[in-house]
Amino acid sequence: EVQLVESGGGLVQPGGSLRLSCAASGFTFSDHYMDWVRQAPGEGLEWVGRIRNKANSYTTQYAASVKGRFTISRDDSKNSLYLQMDSLKTEDTAVYYCAGVLSPGARYGPFGYWGQGTLVSVSS
Amino acid sequence: DIQLTQSPSFLSASVGDRATITCRASQDISSNLAWYQQKPGKAPQLLIYAASTLQSGVPSRFSGSGSGTEFTLTISSLQPEDFATYYCQQINSYPLTFGGGTKVEIK
Repeated sequence: EVQLVESGGGLVQPGGSLRLSCAASGFTFSDHYMDWVRQAPGEGLEWVGRIRNKANSYTTQYAASVKGRFTISRDDSKNSLYLQMDSLKTEDTAVYYCAGVLSPGARYGPFGYWGQGTLVSVSS
Repeated sequence: DIQLTQSPSFLSASVGDRATITCRASQDISSNLAWYQQKPGKAPQLLIYAASTLQSGVPSRFSGSGSGTEFTLTISSLQPEDFATYYCQQINSYPLTFGGGTKVEIK
């Protein structure tokens, strides 16, 4: 059974930092592109960013709203995905989901695997 | 950026009704579109990808069609468990984007 379990959410002040983790199991994590998606309270889904697999040099892509502040990384030896969030703003308050692309290395793959989400609240 | 416009934003329907949701892209995305279902407090779940391919385990009452800029999600006969919010997503180019969502409510 595929499982993605996020952790690391919580309350942080504006300007602060937080690191989210996502532990994967039940599939060959290292083969798959992985993404972060967020959802502000009562709002829709917003893509945050992607990290590709080793075959594609672990390259990353980010939404404009987080570029330069957030960093996605992965540790295939630990089947783990990370989201380092710096210079946090109140508008970053959201549930953050990790998501796995359905097919290994698929350029146009949908998000076939989702975690349960972790809430990040940015407030003074 | 590619904008996705879903309509309607809200859909009130009864069990057994046919429901149709439209997603329009601001530019050609070929068939690189997915549909997700999200229930309150839960993560989204993949329903359809490549515009019309049913994800494994998804009931056959769900279907998708379209290509280019106009896409449709159809639920042939609404069941109680289908009342949820539905999102389209384009995976054609970065940044990946989602539609604004369609909430399907019980009439």
